[in-house]
Parts: sequence; structure tokens; C-alpha cells
Amino acid sequence: EAGVTQSPTHLIKTRGQQATLRCSPISGHTSVYWYQQALGLGLQFLLWYDEGEERNRGNFPPRFSGRQFPNYSSELNVNALELEDSALYLCASSLRQLTDTQYFGPGTRLTVL
Amino acid sequence: AQSVTQLGSHVSVSEGALVLLRCNYSSSVPPYLFWYVQYPNQGLQLLLKYTTGATLVKGINGFEAEFKKSETSFHLTKPSAHMSDAAEYFCAVSGPLVWLTFGGGTRLMVKP
Repeated sequence: EAGVTQSPTHLIKTRGQQATLRCSPISGHTSVYWYQQALGLGLQFLLWYDEGEERNRGNFPPRFSGRQFPNYSSELNVNALELEDSALYLCASSLRQLTDTQYFGPGTRLTVL
Repeated sequence: AQSVTQLGSHVSVSEGALVLLRCNYSSSVPPYLFWYVQYPNQGLQLLLKYTTGATLVKGINGFEAEFKKSETSFHLTKPSAHMSDAAEYFCAVSGPLVWLTFGGGTRLMVKP
């Protein structure tokens, strides 16, 4: 069974540009989570999608947004990029909420110059 | 709310020695607890998890952890370290919030 996949592996942008990151969950998983792993800040929850709806978001500005498609894949958009957005963005998926394990993808390394 | 504290951002052990990585949590409801491992430039891999039932949980690669409610702890252990265990380890909690809240991580170094 295929795991969580993310694309692209690396993404280089300049300040002010927009970045789009993509995630495909494990087949059958309906919940998708996005986390940011920035140097010195650890792993922080960004967004949670379930059944096509945004269910909750972490303490991030509105320029971080996304969506979940009918096939449960997800897209994370970061607008007006800032230098401090440079980080590894990890996507995870799970079967249900709370009780089920979140399985992580390999991540997208976003570098903002 | 939920929070996790990992004591020791860096732990160094000799090959063959006991590995002990400490994790304390805070949760307003019975928690679900996880240990993940991250190798350089990779995502997170689940080592083990505690949801309910037996408090001693066995995971992959010889790791285990014990849930101690009275101490609000979920320490990770392995009897004998191997060079391939060198990585960063993250303790995480969910409950009452659905998403994971992670500790700051512990980088494990294994000396030959």
C-alpha cells in the first residue's frame, strides 16, 4: 500500500511569491493534516482537513491556506512568502480523528530567498 | 489543552548501552501518546503509540515506552543502542485536540 506522498520535494521561491504544496493521503484516509517544521521552532500544527472541509487551523496568518479535494488529496498555499516561511512542510493522513495514527509523508522543503 | 515536554535536546549513548528518552505530557483528557523518529531529510516514522489498555507499549526496532499516568510520563527506552538508531525522536500527544502537539525533539547520538 502506498504511503503519504508529497510534491514537490524541494521548492525555492523569492519573497512575495506564492507557493503551492501538494499531498496525497493513504488510500481510504479522509483526514489530512499539515505541519510546519521550521528551524528553532519545532513541529507546529498548521491545518486540518476532513471530508473536504477545513476543520481547524493552528496559530498561523491567513496567508497560509489550503483545500482538500473530493479524492481527499490536499493543497497548501502560502501567499506573500516571507523569509521565515522557509521550513519543511509535512503532510499527514489518518483514517479517523483522534484515535488513529497519523502517517507522515516525506515533506516538502520550502526555501524562501 | 495539550502539551509535551521532552527533557534533553541531545542525548549521547555508546553502542550497546541503554537508550532512555524522556517525555512528559499535559492533557485535560485521557491522552493518546506517540513516539515518532525522523532521519535526516525525511518525514516522521511512527515508532509506537499508546491509546488505551496495556501501559507498556512495544514498537518497532526494539523500542518500547511505558505510560505512567501518575507521573504524566511516556518515556522511550531501548535496551541496547545500535548505530542505526541515531536520529531525532519526537514525542507527541493528541487529546482533547485532534491534531498532534509535539515536543521539541531529542537528537540521539550513538558512539561506536
